[in-house]
Amino acid sequence: QKEVEQNSGPLSVPEGAIASLNCTYSDRGSQSFFWYRQYSGKSPELIMSIYSNGDKEDGRFTAQLNKASQYVSLLIRDSQPSDSATYLCAVANSGYALNFGKGTSLLVTP
Amino acid sequence: NAGVMQNPRHLVRRRGQEARLRCSPMKGHSHVYWYRQLPEEGLKFMVYLQKENIIDESGMPKERFSAEFPKEGPSILRIQQVVRGDSAAYFCASSPRSTSYNEQFFGPGTRLTVL
Repeated sequence: QKEVEQNSGPLSVPEGAIASLNCTYSDRGSQSFFWYRQYSGKSPELIMSIYSNGDKEDGRFTAQLNKASQYVSLLIRDSQPSDSATYLCAVANSGYALNFGKGTSLLVTP
Repeated sequence: NAGVMQNPRHLVRRRGQEARLRCSPMKGHSHVYWYRQLPEEGLKFMVYLQKENIIDESGMPKERFSAEFPKEGPSILRIQQVVRGDSAAYFCASSPRSTSYNEQFFGPGTRLTVL
C-alpha cells in the first residue's frame, strides 16, 4: 500500500520563527508533490506544488524535494499566528488521484 | 469568483435515507475528483470523473455509492441508504487536466451527518 507519512504534531513555533514540516512517501514512482493548508472546519487550500528535486520558493514558503530519500518538506519563514493550521502533504504517481498524509498540526504562538 | 462550488454545505440525513452532494468545477476545469475525510482520518480519494465518464472509481465503496458528471450540470455524488459511518466531510476538487502534474483545487465541502 502506498503510504504518505507525516508527524501529526502539534508542532509549536514562536511567531517569526521558521516552521519545518516533513513528509515521507513509499511509492518511488511518485511524480508530483503538493502541500495543502487546512484550517479547522475548512477545505484544503493549495500552497505549493513541486515536481523535481531541489527547492521551490514562493513568498514565505519553500518546498524541498528529495526523491532519492523519498521525502518532501515545507518551510514557512517568519511564521505568523495566521499560519496555525493543519498542513497536508499529497503525492501523485503517474495517475491523478492524490494520496494524502494525515497532516501535521502547526501552532504559531504570539 | 469562479472557484469550485459545492452544495449543500451541511446535510443531515437519517439512517436509510439518500444523500445527494453536488459539485460544480472551477471555470475552465473539466476534471472532477471526490474525496472523503472521516473524523481523525486523512483525505481519501473516491472517484475521478470527466464529463459523462467515470474514469476511476477505485476508491469508492462498491455498494450504495455512485457518482456522475453529466454533460450539463454539476457532478453528483449519491449515497443511498446512508449509515452512521458515512458521516464525514466530502470534498470535490477540480483540475484543468488529468496528468499527475495537475494541481487540484478544492471546494468548501459538504459535511454529512447521519443520525
